[in-house]
Amino acid sequence: DAGITQSPRYKITETGRQVTLMCHQTWSHSYMFWYRQDLGHGLRLIYYSAAADITDKGEVPDGYVVSRSKTENFPLTLESATRSQTSVYFCASSESRGGSSYNEQFFGPGTRLTVL
Amino acid sequence: QKEVEQNSGPLSVPEGAIASLNCTYSDRVSQSFFWYRQYSGKSPELIMSIYSNGDKEDGRFTAQLNKASQYVSLLIRDSQPSDSATYLCAVGVFQGAQKLVFGQGTRLTINP
Repeated sequence: DAGITQSPRYKITETGRQVTLMCHQTWSHSYMFWYRQDLGHGLRLIYYSAAADITDKGEVPDGYVVSRSKTENFPLTLESATRSQTSVYFCASSESRGGSSYNEQFFGPGTRLTVL
Repeated sequence: QKEVEQNSGPLSVPEGAIASLNCTYSDRVSQSFFWYRQYSGKSPELIMSIYSNGDKEDGRFTAQLNKASQYVSLLIRDSQPSDSATYLCAVGVFQGAQKLVFGQGTRLTINP
């Protein structure tokens, strides 16, 4: 199916473990983003990528690592999970219009992560 | 001051009435503005985008933008119970990439 998918949809892990959240899009969008959503903080940008092999930090990058070897995939890794990383994680993508600021972002279904 | 501010609600509106959602933003160079709808437990869904001053209509939804006042709003006409959701205002600025800054959302309840 076309669109943007995330896996797993739900994950429970323990403090200190490494966790990787997957994001896959079939639109060939250049830009991909990772957000976390927490009560009281709304949606916050963790990392983004403008193209394969180009990534940059967002508002709350500490404790997270990303890579983008293929345009369609943008995995997010928590190298050593902490309880404060319990959250709902959303991946999003958008087209590139030559530097235009008019790009709409489309979101995946989200991953609910609990760190015990 | 938060970059994008919304009244968190809850906003309660009777079915069939007009729901009015408001958003202010602080960055004067912002060029693009979006409204997302988020049902409980679901992901944000883009419902409106607006880039120029004035009104933009799409079905029962109208987005209004006033850059001088740094204000964007969403009107929902003939509100339906299915419109009950949290509405997120997002403001875009191009800084190496199109980034969106989100407000914390307004929870809207439509009462039958």
